[in-house]
Amino acid sequence: GGIITQTPKFLIGQEGQKLTLKCQQNFNHDTMYWYRQDSGKGLRLIYYSITENDLQKGDLSEGYDASREKKSSFSLTVTSAQKNEMAVFLCASSIPGNTGQLYFGEGSKLTVL
Amino acid sequence: SQWGEENLQALSIQEGEDVTMNCSYKTYTTVVQWYRQKSGKGPALIILIRSNEREKRSGRLRATLDTSSQSSSLSITGTLATDTAVYFCATDSQGGRALIFGTGTTVSVSP
Repeated sequence: GGIITQTPKFLIGQEGQKLTLKCQQNFNHDTMYWYRQDSGKGLRLIYYSITENDLQKGDLSEGYDASREKKSSFSLTVTSAQKNEMAVFLCASSIPGNTGQLYFGEGSKLTVL
Repeated sequence: SQWGEENLQALSIQEGEDVTMNCSYKTYTTVVQWYRQKSGKGPALIILIRSNEREKRSGRLRATLDTSSQSSSLSITGTLATDTAVYFCATDSQGGRALIFGTGTTVSVSP
């Protein structure tokens, strides 16, 4: 088995601040994802990456940057945190192909004061 | 029911009861995956049904898929308190770039 590790688990930021979330996986999966989870809106795709150094935008990519420098890691940066923003960011990985099972981390909860 | 940006639905039931939740999707999909998310955890796959299947069973779980109406359902029989969670459906619609998740159904099972 493997595991997805997200850091930090909780992140508190200030309005306008640049904030970075990190994700590590030891499944040796090629594809990794970042989803945002807001109450009442389910999971929305921000970025995904099908291999090292590849980046693909999801429906919610505006306001975010991503980086996939190694196969095992995928980072997400909130470029300018919005006041009173609160959401959970979920990282996932899967084998190639869009019908494959996603394996999720436990999430990083962002609160912007 | 779940559909795109629809509001989250919540169900409260007693242990031992059966529960069914529904999911509608917008475009053709090759598979519907159902995930369960317990409090403080990430979602985890519990059952997957492919477009050439009408029904799939796994223990107390039963998933159905109707491609003509573009809808799927998940049933849990004999619920336990440990079934308390948010349940999401996910499809590979929208060009198959990545899984698209529904808004989720919150199920609360009281002992």
